[in-house]
Amino acid sequence: AQTVTQSQPEMSVQEAETVTLSCTYDTSESDYYLFWYKQPPSRQMILVIRQEAYKQQNATENRFSVNFQKAAKSFSLKISDSQLGDAAMYFCASRNFGNEKLTFGTGTRLTIIP
Amino acid sequence: SAVISQKPSRDICQRGTSLTIQCQVDSQVTMMFWYRQQPGQSLTLIATANQGSEATYESGFVIDKFPISRPNLTFSTLTVSNMSPEDSSIYLCSARRATNEKLFFGSGTQLSVL
Repeated sequence: AQTVTQSQPEMSVQEAETVTLSCTYDTSESDYYLFWYKQPPSRQMILVIRQEAYKQQNATENRFSVNFQKAAKSFSLKISDSQLGDAAMYFCASRNFGNEKLTFGTGTRLTIIP
Repeated sequence: SAVISQKPSRDICQRGTSLTIQCQVDSQVTMMFWYRQQPGQSLTLIATANQGSEATYESGFVIDKFPISRPNLTFSTLTVSNMSPEDSSIYLCSARRATNEKLFFGSGTQLSVL
């Protein structure tokens, strides 16, 4: 079974600074995907970034980047130049290739300090 | 991208009653899913809504409690039956056009059971 662990229930960062959210996972599969989702107060889950496990290069989407350490089963999210609109719950998730089920972590509430 | 509309956005229900949640996607999708997010918790997959056949339920969820319909490629419903206060959660619909494509979420239905 897959598990996803987010050890930081809450994080805060000054506006324009950089913050890193941690995530570790466990899976017995060799092919899988990893995701970071953002859930603002509107409740809608928004995909921030996605990483295929077979790709060694870390995924990047504008101000968002990941540090994917496959051997350590670690998948952290770095948010650069933090903006007020980044305030939300952030969920790390994994999905085995060929399996539709997403397994989510417990989330990290990110607060941006003006 | 796909736009997913969920109705109702929120509801307050009495114990023992049932509520049907509707999920409408603005384009045809192959896969539709229903997730539950209990207060302060992460998301848990309830079931995969299969078009033209019975839904596939995850461990801990049964059809009698959460009947699901999917009459076509753009629409699905989830019914929460014989509700109790423990059913108070956010219920989220999600969809994917094809395997390995991006998963989109609706904005959820916040259910409170008194």
